[in-house]
Amino acid sequence: DVKVTQSSRYLVKRTGEKVFLECVQDMDHENMFWYRQDPGLGLRLIYFSYDVKMKEKGDIPEGYSVSREKKERFSLILESASTNQTSMYLCASSLYLGDLNEKLFFGSGTQLSVL
Amino acid sequence: ELKVEQNPLFLSMQEGKNYTIYCNYSTTSDRLYWYRQDPGKSLESLFVLLSNGAVKQEGRLMASLDTKARLSTLHITAAVHDLSATYFCAVDLDSGGGADGLTFGKGTHLIIQP
Repeated sequence: DVKVTQSSRYLVKRTGEKVFLECVQDMDHENMFWYRQDPGLGLRLIYFSYDVKMKEKGDIPEGYSVSREKKERFSLILESASTNQTSMYLCASSLYLGDLNEKLFFGSGTQLSVL
Repeated sequence: ELKVEQNPLFLSMQEGKNYTIYCNYSTTSDRLYWYRQDPGKSLESLFVLLSNGAVKQEGRLMASLDTKARLSTLHITAAVHDLSATYFCAVDLDSGGGADGLTFGKGTHLIIQP
């Protein structure tokens, strides 16, 4: 089974701190994604990556950056955390969306609270 | 801009009843996904619908896709308590297979009561 592991289940940080959220997948997937999930808003795409060192902005990239130095690891960085970044963050991976039956596999999420 | 709208956003129903969740999207796409999320858990893939008229069924859930109407439905037959969850539809804008991610609806929070 595909496993997508997010390093922390819960995080509490202070406004202005630099925050790193880590995600590792063990199935050699090419594509990795970061979403945030907020009540009433569903999931919104922050950034995605289709290869090592490649990254693309999603729908809400402001205030975030990402890093993909190795194929299995995709990090989300909050340069200076703010209270409006309090959210559930979900990492996902997929082999290749060109495969018609491919789908996203999600990690268990990181609930981030910024105080 | 792709918009994905689910209806209803909240549904409380009794066991044994049938109901349908609707997913409308605003731009042409040939691929639509349904996910389930249990409280405190992550998302689990249910169905991938790849073409107009596609229908997939698993257990008491059946999903269909009408690309001309830009509509997908998730039908629940004879609901049981274990189906209580939040259901999301998601649309892949780039049918060419590029990794540009999925656009999700806001989710339908389904509660099935005995």
